[in-house]
Amino acid sequence: SQQGEEDPQALSIQEGENATMNCSYKTSINNLQWYRQNSGRGLVHLILIRSNEREKHSGRLRVTLDTSKKSSSLLITASRAADTASYFCATVRSEASKIIFGSGTRLSIRP
Amino acid sequence: GAVVSQHPSWVICKSGTSVKIECRSLDFQATTMFWYRQFPKQSLMLMATSNEGSKATYEQGVEKDKFLINHASLTLSTLTVTSAHPEDSSFYICSARPTGTPKATEAFFGQGTRLTVV
Repeated sequence: SQQGEEDPQALSIQEGENATMNCSYKTSINNLQWYRQNSGRGLVHLILIRSNEREKHSGRLRVTLDTSKKSSSLLITASRAADTASYFCATVRSEASKIIFGSGTRLSIRP
Repeated sequence: GAVVSQHPSWVICKSGTSVKIECRSLDFQATTMFWYRQFPKQSLMLMATSNEGSKATYEQGVEKDKFLINHASLTLSTLTVTSAHPEDSSFYICSARPTGTPKATEAFFGQGTRLTVV
């Protein structure tokens, strides 16, 4: 089963612009993670934010978490063509160790 | 960083045959590994949690007799798709969480296996 939904399902922006993806989930969590997947490939872990954190940065990535709204956002600043990929949020529930993925956002960066 | 190797990366098999996919943690031990399936342009759906030395825990709707999981050592889990049919064609991905890691930390993913059943 999936934990939640991401929006938009697909996003196309110009190189250099910022990309924002949102993730909503259904149950309480211990942490939320964001992954990137290039077409037909495995997953690359981007960032992890714990339930007691509200914002986290890593390079051009900025992640926010609002546990009251059960939502998170991933912002990629100054996008590059190499950022073209699918992005998934994933949650680890407080009472279990399973990593459950959201529906994903397909990001395309136009040169 | 931690590396998870999945083999094979792609396989084509005839309908009715069985296919085994291996997931190895190369530089760490993993008591728990996870198997996911991903259809084109869709998300990863958790199939089962593989536990070293004990039976796997399957998600609702996943046939345990069709998708056999064996986690015989702390570095290897295998998924066998038995009597494969074209509808089993998919991208299968494993992940492994290092032993001793709190539940809260990340797991590491293999590169996936693309299975095509003809």
